[in-house]
Amino acid sequence: QQPVQSPQAVILREGEDAVINCSSSKALYSVHWYRQKHGEAPVFLMILLKGGEQKGHEKISASFNEKKQQSSLYLTASQLSYSGTYFCGTTGGGADGLTFGKGTHLIIQP
Amino acid sequence: GAVVSQHPSWVICKSGTSVKIECRSLDFQATTMFWYRQFPKQSLMLMATSNEGSKATYEQGVEKDKFLINHASLTLSTLTVTSAHPEDSSFYICSASNTGSSYNEQFFGPGTRLTVL
Repeated sequence: QQPVQSPQAVILREGEDAVINCSSSKALYSVHWYRQKHGEAPVFLMILLKGGEQKGHEKISASFNEKKQQSSLYLTASQLSYSGTYFCGTTGGGADGLTFGKGTHLIIQP
Repeated sequence: GAVVSQHPSWVICKSGTSVKIECRSLDFQATTMFWYRQFPKQSLMLMATSNEGSKATYEQGVEKDKFLINHASLTLSTLTVTSAHPEDSSFYICSASNTGSSYNEQFFGPGTRLTVL
C-alpha cells in the first residue's frame, strides 16, 4: 500500500525550515527519501532502517518512528536548490523494491 | 560513488516495435536491480525486481511477456518493452541496490523517456 505524504505542497522563503511527513499503514523495514527535479531521476537523500540505523547527506535529517510507521524529513535553512518534489519510499523487507508516496512539491522562493 | 547509468536517455518508436533499455551500475555490484515507471506528474511505480542470474519478479498488473527483463551480470539489467503501444509511453527508471552496503540503498539511473507513436 502506498505511503501517505504530507503536505502535498510547500512554498518557502529561502532560509526557512520545512518538515515533510510520510505515513504507512503497514509495518516498515526501511524508509528512503529522494528529491526529484522536473525531468530528472530521483536523487538519494537518506535511508532509515528499522532499529535506528540511518545514512544520508550531512545537511539532511530525518526521523523514523517504527511503532507509528511514520517518518519525517527535516529541511533546515532551505536553499533555492532544495526546490523539487520529495518522495518517500518504503519497504517491508531489506531486498524489496520501493513503494513510493505521491510526493511533496517544495518551492523555495528567494 | 554509486553511479547508475541508463541507455538510451530517450527513444521515440513506432507502435508495434520493441525497445530495449539498459541499466548499469558503474562503480558497484548490484545483485538486485529494480525497474520503475513514472507517468507525468505522478509518483514512481515499481514494475519488477531483477535479480542477477534468476527470473525477474513482476508486480501485480505488470505483464511479464510485455516487459522482458534480463539481469545477466552484477552490473547490467535490461528491460525490453515488446510490441510497444502509445499507452506504454512513460519515463522508465531503474535503480540498483548496493548490496555491498548493509543499508541496501537504492540508487537511480537518469531514466529513459519512451514515446510510442
